[in-house]
Amino acid sequence: AQKITQTQPGMFVQEKEAVTLDCTYDTSDPSYGLFWYKQPSSGEMIFLIYQGSYDQQNATEGRYSLNFQKARKSANLVISASQLGDSAMYFCAMREGIWQGGKLIFGQGTELSVKP
Amino acid sequence: GAGVSQSPRYKVAKRGQDVALRCDPISGHVSLFWYQQALGQGPEFLTYFQNEAQLDKSGLPSDRFFAERPEGSVSTLKIQRTQQEDSAVYLCASSGGPSDHNEQFFGPGTRLTVL
Repeated sequence: AQKITQTQPGMFVQEKEAVTLDCTYDTSDPSYGLFWYKQPSSGEMIFLIYQGSYDQQNATEGRYSLNFQKARKSANLVISASQLGDSAMYFCAMREGIWQGGKLIFGQGTELSVKP
Repeated sequence: GAGVSQSPRYKVAKRGQDVALRCDPISGHVSLFWYQQALGQGPEFLTYFQNEAQLDKSGLPSDRFFAERPEGSVSTLKIQRTQQEDSAVYLCASSGGPSDHNEQFFGPGTRLTVL
């Protein structure tokens, strides 16, 4: 079974508008971390935002926020005020357990295109 | 400051050749990971080092894949007798900095094409 599911292969958004990228996850471990990474066409994975399973508040980093709904096992990424430079692949990932050295499990990704 | 670097950036190999991919992690990072990313897919875990110790190699697809990090810094991923299905981008990541959630910092990857 997929541990990380991203159901949107591609998304379009108008410049300056907000967009939500969906991510659901599956784990029986009560301790886990959720990450979002951006991968531009250059190929490098860029860390965007992190949410811990015990965090009470949704994470925010600048224009990025994470809509964390623990009961529904979803961790959607919200990008506000989209910019042309936001066009890239976006990956949701999970690290299981409390050990912070653990491997990441990635979803299939969502390709975001920002239109001028 | 320098990020994670990988070399070569591109490698073309004939089927059956051996290849070696290098990763230079961020200085001082204890943890080092290798991932394989097939075209149009998310990265998949291959192996993990803590300093020089290989603590998890559960993702290595076959015994043709071998990784080492002998001095706890630079790591090499070696693929013997390459096959066409080995064609992918190989990503290296390191972590262990001061962040409390220990995000992994990725290199630019090595794109391997096996003909």
